[in-house]
Amino acid sequence: LAKTTQPISMDSYEGQEVNITCSHNNIATNDYITWYQQFPSQGPRFIIQGYKTKVTNEVASLFIPADRKSSTLSLPRVSLSDTAVYYCLVGNYNTDKLIFGTGTRLQVFP
Amino acid sequence: NAGVTQTPKFRVLKTGQSMTLLCAQDMNHEYMYWYRQDPGMGLRLIHYSVGEGTTAKGEVPDGYNVSRLKKQNFLLGLESAAPSQTSVYFCASSYPSGSVYNEQFFGPGTRLTVL
Repeated sequence: LAKTTQPISMDSYEGQEVNITCSHNNIATNDYITWYQQFPSQGPRFIIQGYKTKVTNEVASLFIPADRKSSTLSLPRVSLSDTAVYYCLVGNYNTDKLIFGTGTRLQVFP
Repeated sequence: NAGVTQTPKFRVLKTGQSMTLLCAQDMNHEYMYWYRQDPGMGLRLIHYSVGEGTTAKGEVPDGYNVSRLKKQNFLLGLESAAPSQTSVYFCASSYPSGSVYNEQFFGPGTRLTVL
């Protein structure tokens, strides 16, 4: 199974760019990489998904190197409302091999 | 659209009691999932379903049973609750297999305490 490893916590200030890296050394050929955001007392919310190279949407970018053994979620110009836990999920939605990491708690300061 | 809803939001059980958690989705998703989340830990997959009438085991299925009699509903049952099952339970659903994006939509969670 593609276990994931993320930093436990990160601190940032408003307006800065934040990069959170997830390691997944045993990623399988048909696994996708998905990032979720979770606020206290809420269910996780989808941020971005990718398979290889770079993906960008209106809220984040996802960088995946050629070997796919890691991925980096990039949040441009964070605000206080970005304070949350961010999870990296590696897996194939056609199987039960959906592994969430333990998450990275991001604290954004004014 | 209500999205994914879970019933109940909170529940306290005594050891050995049974209960059923209900998950409902109105997005016509094929796939549905049950996760548990313990303090300081990520989500762990309990059971999942790829369609009406089908279920499969996830990472931590012991002590739980599920049923998917209707496409929009996914039930999680605890036959004999144990303190180790104290957790927050999340239900999720996703697009059909083969979609470009396999985003999971999560419910608000059910906080279960087993005394």
